[in-house]
Amino acid sequence: DVKVTQSSRYLVKRTGEKVFLECVQDMDHENMFWYRQDPGLGLRLIYFSYDVKMKEKGDIPEGYSVSREKKERFSLILESASTNQTSMYLCASSAGLAGFGADTQYFGPGTRLTVL
Amino acid sequence: SQKIEQNSEALNIQEGKTATLTCNYTNYSPAYLQWYRQDPGRGPVFLLLIRENEKEKRKERLKVTFDTTLKQSLFHITASQPADSATYLCALASGGANNLFFGTGTRLTVIP
Repeated sequence: DVKVTQSSRYLVKRTGEKVFLECVQDMDHENMFWYRQDPGLGLRLIYFSYDVKMKEKGDIPEGYSVSREKKERFSLILESASTNQTSMYLCASSAGLAGFGADTQYFGPGTRLTVL
Repeated sequence: SQKIEQNSEALNIQEGKTATLTCNYTNYSPAYLQWYRQDPGRGPVFLLLIRENEKEKRKERLKVTFDTTLKQSLFHITASQPADSATYLCALASGGANNLFFGTGTRLTVIP
């Protein structure tokens, strides 16, 4: 079974802090994604990566950056956390054998981040 | 921009009945449509994928239809059970898309 793990289930940070969210997958998947999920807005894509050191902006990249130094690890960085970044953050991976639309995404358990 | 609507935020049905969830979209021509299940505090889990040239897909008690003329997908759970209670998300992608676009989900509660 594919396993996607995220470094924390719950995180509380203060405004202005730098925040790192880590995601690791164990299935040698090519693609990795970071989403945030908010009530009434659904899942929105922040960034994705289709290869090591490659990254692409999603729908809402502002205020975030990412890093993919190794194939299995994809990090989301909040350079200066703000209260409007309080959300559930979900990491996902997919094999990359088919096009994105036909690829199953495997999600981690999520990190609930609260910025005070 | 594309818009994806799932028919209601919440749906309650009696155990044993068929649950039908709707996913409508506008301003988009998806080549693929996926359905995911999400339990509280967990990440979504993939259930089914249907392609634009497929009318229907089945997996055990699950059935998905895809009508590109109506711009709609229906997701059916037959003989529903309390364990089917969860939020169900639809997600769309075009053939050359670099991501999936998710709906906001429908929270299904199956009442014993």
